[in-house]
Amino acid sequence: QQQVKQSPQSLIVQKGGISIINCAYENTAFDYFPWYQQFPGKGPALLIAIRPDVSEKKEGRFTISFNKSAKQFSLHIMDSQPGDSATYFCAALNSGGSNYKLTFGKGTLLTVNP
Amino acid sequence: EPEVTQTPSHQVTQMGQEVILRCVPISNHLYFYWYRQILGQKVEFLVSFYNNEISEKSEIFDDQFSVERPDGSNFTLKIRSTKLEDSAMYFCASSGGTGVRYTEAFFGQGTRLTVV
Repeated sequence: QQQVKQSPQSLIVQKGGISIINCAYENTAFDYFPWYQQFPGKGPALLIAIRPDVSEKKEGRFTISFNKSAKQFSLHIMDSQPGDSATYFCAALNSGGSNYKLTFGKGTLLTVNP
Repeated sequence: EPEVTQTPSHQVTQMGQEVILRCVPISNHLYFYWYRQILGQKVEFLVSFYNNEISEKSEIFDDQFSVERPDGSNFTLKIRSTKLEDSAMYFCASSGGTGVRYTEAFFGQGTRLTVV
């Protein structure tokens, strides 16, 4: 019940295309859903996050869509660029808990071809 | 911009040896974490630390692991007797918040631990 399932495992997109990564969760106590971007040899960096009181959040080219009833959320990268090539992790957290433990998905390796 | 710093960036150790991984969290943060990432796999939670005590630990965090905040600024992870399977990237993270309000977690660059 603590798992966050992420797909696809890898994704290849042409420059200018749309990248879509999907995640699903089981634990209804999760109420904070961040996406992290990780470049090789670096730590995960927060990209964008959403709480379940909204169905969509947009920051620049990055959009999170959230479907509370289906317990799914997805990251859309519009106008994908070669510099977006990285591993993307979705995560979930219960902010009402006492430990703020992030549960990560397995990651998606995104490659944007020039 | 404030950041979480970790040292060393890479540590090679012999099986059975003790290692200490060090982290300096963001100065006004209250919650501290260690996560681990085995090469090519997902980031896994090890332990969270708040108010000078462990608030939660995963099943990975057995008796060989310990954490400490020795001087109010550093946050350390000690592995008492390393095993080959401890080889991984270890990330320290910290998050702010007062009371129960969560704020985003910032991750350090990681320490690559190689056990030989």
